[in-house]
Amino acid sequence: KAGVTQTPRYLIKTRGQQVTLSCSPISGHRSVSWYQQTPGQGLQFLFEYFSETQRNKGNFPGRFSGRQFSNSRSEMNVSTLELGDSALYLCASGGSSADTQYFGPGTRLTVL
Amino acid sequence: GESVGLHLPTLSVQEGDNSIINCAYSNSASDYFIWYKQESGKGPQFIIDIRSNMDKRQGQRVTVLLNKTVKHLSLQIAATQPGDSAVYFCAEGSNDYKLSFGAGTTVTVRA
Repeated sequence: KAGVTQTPRYLIKTRGQQVTLSCSPISGHRSVSWYQQTPGQGLQFLFEYFSETQRNKGNFPGRFSGRQFSNSRSEMNVSTLELGDSALYLCASGGSSADTQYFGPGTRLTVL
Repeated sequence: GESVGLHLPTLSVQEGDNSIINCAYSNSASDYFIWYKQESGKGPQFIIDIRSNMDKRQGQRVTVLLNKTVKHLSLQIAATQPGDSAVYFCAEGSNDYKLSFGAGTTVTVRA
């Protein structure tokens, strides 16, 4: 069974731009969560989707948004990029209770 | 803030020895706990999980212990190998569909 896939793997943007990251969960998984990982803050929860509905959201500004499609694939968008948005963005998939979550390789975003 | 933390940021272990990685948590309502391993340039890899109604669970070369009285979680790795060198995270979750992670422990295996 294929794991969680994320595209692109690497991305370089400049301040003020916007970016869209994509995640395909493990086949059969309907929960998709997004996390931001930085050296200073560690792994922080962004949001979780199940059946196209956001069930929980972390403490991030409104510039961070996401959505999930009917095939469970998910995208997250960051608008008006800031230098501090440079991070590894991780997607995780899981079952309906979203307890055990399996992570993808991440998208490394660099904002210049 | 985060409700999960690790006691030590780094751990150096001799190859072949057993490793013990510790984690303290503060949310007594957590339903489950997970240990992840993250190697450089990769996403966190699931190692083992344990639910709050258990105090021990074993996997292949790994054992997780949960002490709810003192809110402590540990991961034991038997016969540590060079491939075990990585950053280890504990995470806790409840019924709100999110995981809260500790800061991580970097394990270095000495040959």
